[in-house]
Amino acid sequence: AQSVTQLGSHVSVSEGALVLLRCNYSSSVPPYLFWYVQYPNQGLQLLLKYTTGATLVKGINGFEAEFKKSETSFHLTKPSAHMSDAAEYFCAVTGYGNNRLAFGKGNQVVVIP
Amino acid sequence: NAGVTQTPKFQVLKTGQSMTLQCAQDMNHEYMSWYRQDPGMGLRLIHYSVGAGITDQGEVPNGYNVSRSTTEDFPLRLLSAAPSQTSVYFCASSVDREWYGYTFGSGTRLTVV
Repeated sequence: AQSVTQLGSHVSVSEGALVLLRCNYSSSVPPYLFWYVQYPNQGLQLLLKYTTGATLVKGINGFEAEFKKSETSFHLTKPSAHMSDAAEYFCAVTGYGNNRLAFGKGNQVVVIP
Repeated sequence: NAGVTQTPKFQVLKTGQSMTLQCAQDMNHEYMSWYRQDPGMGLRLIHYSVGAGITDQGEVPNGYNVSRSTTEDFPLRLLSAAPSQTSVYFCASSVDREWYGYTFGSGTRLTVV
């Protein structure tokens, strides 16, 4: 079984400050990891993903995440928050041969002007 | 391309009524899934399909049925609606379950009274 832990349901960040959202995973097989973003009243949109290869992955809107196997982590960062980053962010994990994508409970990001 | 289309966007049901949530994709994706999203719970998998004629249960399948007669369509049926099924439902599809991530529909907001 695979699972994801995202701590802190609500995260407040000042405009221009670093955005850091933490994701830790559990997987019995090599994981494939994803970050999704959900804007109000919309579906989920893929931000970035790690499957194999380079452990630092870059996504849309200036976000990036680093896969750290030793720490079982896949934290999401953005150097400078923008008002448009206000949304809910979900980390998700699956693995080779696995039909299921397991989601964390999400982080609601609020950007303070 | 329309992507993943869900209908209806909003629905109110009375307890005991039945209904079908429609999901269609025009990307020739083999993998399709239904999730429900509840506050503080993230997304939970209801049912999924790895191709036409093949379906399987996710983590919260009780009270829901699915079928996959074509590659394009993956309807979700509520047999006898209960207030606990009040939620936002998302359909998602993927060309490959591991590598590409899922494309999500815009959701159906269901209220059972």
